[in-house]
Amino acid sequence: DAMVIQNPRYQVTQFGKPVTLSCSQTLNHNVMYWYQQKSSQAPKLLFHYYDKDFNNEADTPDNFQSRRPNTSFCFLDIRSPGLGDAAMYLCATSRDLSIESYEQYFGPGTRLTVT
Amino acid sequence: SQQGEEDPQALSIQEGENATMNCSYKTSINNLQWYRQNSGRGLVHLILIRSNEREKHSGRLRVTLDTSKKSSSLLITASRAADTASYFCATEGNNRLAFGKGNQVVVIP
Repeated sequence: DAMVIQNPRYQVTQFGKPVTLSCSQTLNHNVMYWYQQKSSQAPKLLFHYYDKDFNNEADTPDNFQSRRPNTSFCFLDIRSPGLGDAAMYLCATSRDLSIESYEQYFGPGTRLTVT
Repeated sequence: SQQGEEDPQALSIQEGENATMNCSYKTSINNLQWYRQNSGRGLVHLILIRSNEREKHSGRLRVTLDTSKKSSSLLITASRAADTASYFCATEGNNRLAFGKGNQVVVIP
């Protein structure tokens, strides 16, 4: 089945130690998104890629970076995690950015713990 | 930026009852979407309603959109225990989704 896969599902890192979260998709979608979701809160968009074009949200901290080496994979790098970065990180895809194809498909998420 | 905002009340209902939740937003939109999130999981798209539509159905789901009031409602009919989840509305504009806070629904068997 076509899907969005996130690895690992649970990640523990130490304060200040760089960490990378992974997302892959078999949907062949053009757009990939990273969201941060803290407990009992709405998902917050960090950035998205439309093909190779990177689009950063204005309020996304510089500590968060992303890479998309090919259509299928997208990575979230947290350069120096702080305790406040502990959250669920959700990857999502959409076929395109046109109104008709804007439904987003989410992965199961990676829960990040910072110790 | 636009933001979907659900009524923040948690909802607890008996299986078989209907569940209704509301969402309001602040700016013009291209479409509004509802998503479900089971505990500790990713979001699942439920239904999309375009700005020129007023009502849409999908199975046991009914969504309404009132652009004059900048509000939407999601109705789940004949609820099941498996409907227990958080439900988010999201407004689309400027090629991005803005999610509301979510509404926790608990269906008691």
